[in-house]
Amino acid sequence: LAKTTQPISMDSYEGQEVNITCSHNNIATNDYITWYQQFPSQGPRFIIQGYKTKVTNEVASLFIPADRKSSTLSLPRVSLSDTAVYYCLVGVPNSGYALNFGKGTSLLVTP
Amino acid sequence: EPEVTQTPSHQVTQMGQEVILRCVPISNHLYFYWYRQILGQKVEFLVSFYNNEISEKSEIFDDQFSVERPDGSNFTLKIRSTKLEDSAMYFCATPENNEQFFGPGTRLTVL
Repeated sequence: LAKTTQPISMDSYEGQEVNITCSHNNIATNDYITWYQQFPSQGPRFIIQGYKTKVTNEVASLFIPADRKSSTLSLPRVSLSDTAVYYCLVGVPNSGYALNFGKGTSLLVTP
Repeated sequence: EPEVTQTPSHQVTQMGQEVILRCVPISNHLYFYWYRQILGQKVEFLVSFYNNEISEKSEIFDDQFSVERPDGSNFTLKIRSTKLEDSAMYFCATPENNEQFFGPGTRLTVL
């Protein structure tokens, strides 16, 4: 499994754009990059997934450079409710393998 | 959005007692997973269950743990003789499309 590295924590003010970068130097050809969000005392929740270039949904954008050795989760105009832990995972979707969570990035949004 | 439910939401038990945690995954799914998260730590994989058999397990999943599918819709995680260090949130999850849907978790407190 490809190892991922992301910042332990980040702080932001409401209304700002937040970019969380994840390094995955050993990503394999068939691997996708997936981000999950976790609020305290809740299970992780899927945010976005991509293979290359840019993916956007109603919640976030995911930027993946051509070499795929890193990725950036972009949260536009964060609100207080975006305070959570964000996990970057690398692997083959629906392969049957379990998700390998790292420590994630703890995002704190303040007024 | 598909729903995964877990019961109980909170379980308090004495050390050495047996506990059974229950999960109702997305219906008609053959795959499901159990994870745990000790307070302040990362989400850790315990076991995956496919078509009524364990397909993968972590080193955490030792002989005191077992999983079953007692009927067509429920899955259980049994801890035979609880230890203090088993205190954690326990999540079950099932895959749908390219993501895993997590239940709300059971908070297990071992005294």
